[in-house]
Amino acid sequence: DAGVIQSPRHEVTEMGQEVTLRCKPISGHDYLFWYRQTMMRGLELLIYFNNNVPIDDSGMPEDRFSAKMPNASFSTLKIQPSEPRDSAVYFCASSLNGAGRLETQYFGPGTRLLVL
Amino acid sequence: GQQLNQSPQSMFIQEGEDVSMNCTSSSIFNTWLWYKQDPGEGPVLLIALYKAGELTSNGRLTAQFGITRKDSFLNISASIPSDVGIYFCAGPTPHNTDKLIFGTGTRLQVFP
Repeated sequence: DAGVIQSPRHEVTEMGQEVTLRCKPISGHDYLFWYRQTMMRGLELLIYFNNNVPIDDSGMPEDRFSAKMPNASFSTLKIQPSEPRDSAVYFCASSLNGAGRLETQYFGPGTRLLVL
Repeated sequence: GQQLNQSPQSMFIQEGEDVSMNCTSSSIFNTWLWYKQDPGEGPVLLIALYKAGELTSNGRLTAQFGITRKDSFLNISASIPSDVGIYFCAGPTPHNTDKLIFGTGTRLQVFP
């Protein structure tokens, strides 16, 4: 299996621009998670989906952030407009049965975002 | 809110040495997970613990689920350079076990 695939791996953009991060989960996994990692705040859950439906978006920092999962094999995280404080590594993860079970979360390689 | 504190924050050791790190919580966990993050990559699950007192090994790694259920420990024996990375503990949040909370991380550097 190819694992969780994320694109792009690196993104540099200017403040005010729209940024779209993409994720392809592991085939057959029905949970998809978006995380953000920064030095100050560590690894934070932004939003997660179950069977393509957003279940909990309480970690999404602001209305500038939105996420979609149009089908079982694709999800996007969009930031519009982007700000320098959005600079971070964004991870996508997928799992078969949620977090606390035997089949736990598999992380992608992450997208390193730098907003100038 | 719920927090997982890891110590030490960072470690600088020589190849061949043993490593010990721990994770503590202010509240009870029913599952403890240990992840490792290599530089430039996403976290990878190392060990999962499901019962208080449980001791589980994965090669040179051994993790224990604390008796109080508020802590967990990870030991690495005979460290090698590829052990370099950040080690995170994690556990499901009490009100929604689909969500994980991650610890603050222990950064390990191994010198040959």
